[in-house]
Amino acid sequence: NAGVTQTPKFRVLKTGQSMTLLCAQDMNHEYMYWYRQDPGMGLRLIHYSVGEGTTAKGEVPDGYNVSRLKKQNFLLGLESAAPSQTSVYFCASSSADIPRSTDTQYFGPGTRLTVL
Amino acid sequence: KNQVEQSPQSLIILEGKNCTLQCNYTVSPFSNLRWYKQDTGRGPVSLTIMTFSENTKSNGRYTATLDADTKQSSLHITASQLSDSASYICVVMGNNNDMRFGAGTRLTVKP
Repeated sequence: NAGVTQTPKFRVLKTGQSMTLLCAQDMNHEYMYWYRQDPGMGLRLIHYSVGEGTTAKGEVPDGYNVSRLKKQNFLLGLESAAPSQTSVYFCASSSADIPRSTDTQYFGPGTRLTVL
Repeated sequence: KNQVEQSPQSLIILEGKNCTLQCNYTVSPFSNLRWYKQDTGRGPVSLTIMTFSENTKSNGRYTATLDADTKQSSLHITASQLSDSASYICVVMGNNNDMRFGAGTRLTVKP
């Protein structure tokens, strides 16, 4: 049982390049989330999904797209990377709607992305 | 202004000592309040989850308290260990599907 895994762990991009971050969970969770973490700031929600085939915008969705084609995977895409997207990205999953429940939210190890 | 403010920003204590971390919030109404531990280079791990009706919750040497009237929470760590060195994050979940993360307190435990 690996929990939540993220690929890749590190990546350096040039401005304008595109990439996809992969999140996978093996706990059969319905809910999945993408966050970014910047120095001196709390985690901020980018996009989330309440089930296979569904996605929704979070607090800071601009410049990102997501897809949830399979229940266990949640992909985060950057179509045209910008230096402002330099950050550490965390994926998380839960079996219930986190804000409204006391269910545990499980986080992945993070992806450190640098955009030059 | 962040709706969840944590203090101090950083803290250094000696192994074996106790410490208390603070979290003040303005999110209202709220569903639950969570404390996470985040080791360097890792994702956050849940420590405690409290609803608005709970005053205290413990998880081993970690005890969280909540005063919903003053909108304050604290995390008390007893008999600190070197492995407690990490960032501790307070998160307040609003009733309107809102999640607000504090910036965290960086704790260093020295031998």
